[in-house]
Amino acid sequence: TQLLEQSPQFLSIQEGENLTVYCNSSSVFSSLQWYRQEPGEGPVLLVTVVTGGEVKKLKRLTFQFGDARKDSSLHITAAQPGDTGLYLCAGGKAAGNKLTFGGGTRVLVKP
Amino acid sequence: AAGVIQSPRHLIKEKRETATLKCYPIPRHDTVYWYQQGPGQDPQFLISFYEKMQSDKGSIPDRFSAQQFSDYHSELNMSSLELGDSALYFCASSARGVQETQYFGPGTRLLVL
Repeated sequence: TQLLEQSPQFLSIQEGENLTVYCNSSSVFSSLQWYRQEPGEGPVLLVTVVTGGEVKKLKRLTFQFGDARKDSSLHITAAQPGDTGLYLCAGGKAAGNKLTFGGGTRVLVKP
Repeated sequence: AAGVIQSPRHLIKEKRETATLKCYPIPRHDTVYWYQQGPGQDPQFLISFYEKMQSDKGSIPDRFSAQQFSDYHSELNMSSLELGDSALYFCASSARGVQETQYFGPGTRLLVL
């Protein structure tokens, strides 16, 4: 059973449209991290959220951590072809312990 | 800003050979993590170390061992390599008490023939 699940697994939209990726779990996480990964490369950190209800913005990307710290979302406004890639959410439960990944969402933004 | 350094970046080995992967964490980071990622899969946690002591253990085969040294760098030793060990191996590092954010290195691509 997947402890953390991302949806959708794949998203194809036109340039200029908005999109939202969800990361859901029945477990509480002490922190949740969003990464973007290119093929054959390491995941690159986008943001870390640690407080329930927290909202963080990174240019056109908005990240939210659920009040109960069980879920998170990534919203991209006015998507651009450069946003195309694999987005990963990962939850951590304690310092020094593993990250549990959510399966990834592959985003394709068509010009 | 300095990032996690991994070496080698690519490695080709024969079955039953051994391999050693090295990881140099971001300066002032005291915790290192090892992950294995197969094609189309999430990174799977192997093991982590904090201040040279094992912090957490995941699905690391008995054929693999790892350690963290006094300068905080870490090495993953893999013996009796199997075809199924072919994967991307990532090291990540974090600073204890600083949001526990894990920063990943560029990875080592291991191919076992």
